[in-house]
Amino acid sequence: DAEITQSPRHKITETGRQVTLACHQTWNHNNMFWYRQDLGHGLRLIHYSYGVHDTNKGEVSDGYSVSRSNTEDLPLTLESAASSQTSVYFCASSESRITGYTFGSGTRLTVV
Amino acid sequence: GEDVEQSLFLSVREGDSSVINCTYTDSSSTYLYWYKQEPGAGLQLLTYIFSNMDMKQDQRLTVLLNKKDKHLSLRIADTQTGDSAIYFCAEIKQAGTALIFGKGTTLSVSS
Repeated sequence: DAEITQSPRHKITETGRQVTLACHQTWNHNNMFWYRQDLGHGLRLIHYSYGVHDTNKGEVSDGYSVSRSNTEDLPLTLESAASSQTSVYFCASSESRITGYTFGSGTRLTVV
Repeated sequence: GEDVEQSLFLSVREGDSSVINCTYTDSSSTYLYWYKQEPGAGLQLLTYIFSNMDMKQDQRLTVLLNKKDKHLSLRIADTQTGDSAIYFCAEIKQAGTALIFGKGTTLSVSS
């Protein structure tokens, strides 16, 4: 069965370190998205991609970067982790607007 | 600014109906969605409605859309304890395909 997987599920890192969160989908979806979820803020869009080599900034993109070298993967990199980036990160993919998004199970990142 | 607004909490008794409300600000939004998030899990698509519809029913779920007031609601009939979760309203603006979420409504169902 097709799926979308995120790894790791939990990560603790130190301030200033570079961290990469993985997202892999086997739906063959063109569109992929990264959100962060924080208490009181709901889900906020970080970056998204409409296809290979396409990337776009979302509402809260500062301090984050993504690259899309193939259809299946959209890794999210925190260049220099900050305590304000402690959050739960969700990856999602979609083929079209009508079908909505399929979400991964999330990565809980703690920056100490 | 906030594009989608929801009340934060709703508490109901098992067997009652639950109504979760949402307001959005972009009249050009063409697709509106309801997602459910159970504790420790990702979001699950419950249902969606196109902006040219007024109502959509799917088993225990009824979605009502009032375009004039930019108001969306989700009614859950015969609410069960398994319905306890966070419910997110989301819109896709006409210009792009990125979902914009509200902050979520926590539904608590007591037996």
